[in-house]
Amino acid sequence: DVKVTQSSRYLVKRTGEKVFLECVQDMDHENMFWYRQDPGLGLRLIYFSYDVKMKEKGDIPEGYSVSREKKERFSLILESASTNQTSMYLCASTTSVHEQFFGPGTRLTVL
Amino acid sequence: GENVEQHPSTLSVQEGDSAVIKCTYSDSASNYFPWYKQELGKRPQLIIDIRSNVGEKKDQRIAVTLNKTAKHFSLHITETQPEDSAVYFCAASDAGGFKTIFGAGTRLFVKA
Repeated sequence: DVKVTQSSRYLVKRTGEKVFLECVQDMDHENMFWYRQDPGLGLRLIYFSYDVKMKEKGDIPEGYSVSREKKERFSLILESASTNQTSMYLCASTTSVHEQFFGPGTRLTVL
Repeated sequence: GENVEQHPSTLSVQEGDSAVIKCTYSDSASNYFPWYKQELGKRPQLIIDIRSNVGEKKDQRIAVTLNKTAKHFSLHITETQPEDSAVYFCAASDAGGFKTIFGAGTRLFVKA
């Protein structure tokens, strides 16, 4: 059974804090993604990675960075959290042009 | 930039009726078109997909059609049931599978 897990389901942080969101997949997938989901805007791609230590900017990378030191793990970092980064964050993984498997999501609130 | 437009944003149907959700995409290089269903509080899950060399695909009560010339694809759900109530996202992906652009989503309500 495929599995994508995220480190937290809910997270509350203060403005200016550094925030780490972690995603782990056990399917040996090459490609991993971070999206944010906001009502009426669908899923917007922040960053993706197609291999260890490789990363590419998505459509909304500003204010975020990522790290992929191991194939199964993809981390999203908010260097200095701001209130406009309050959102649902979804991680996904896939191999080649195929179905993306999503994690359960992390609802981040920045106060 | 590239985008995917999805309509309607909200759809309410009576149980047993059909539901149709439509999407248009702008990137002519897109060749993979998945549809995801997201139930309340849950993660999106693939329900059906279609590739550019196919015009139609069906899986029980759901079907997807693709018109590459018009850059248009649609999801059709027949004999809707209350458990079909969810948010549905269409998406378009390039040949590499890296840049998947999602539509804004359609919230489907099926009234019993």
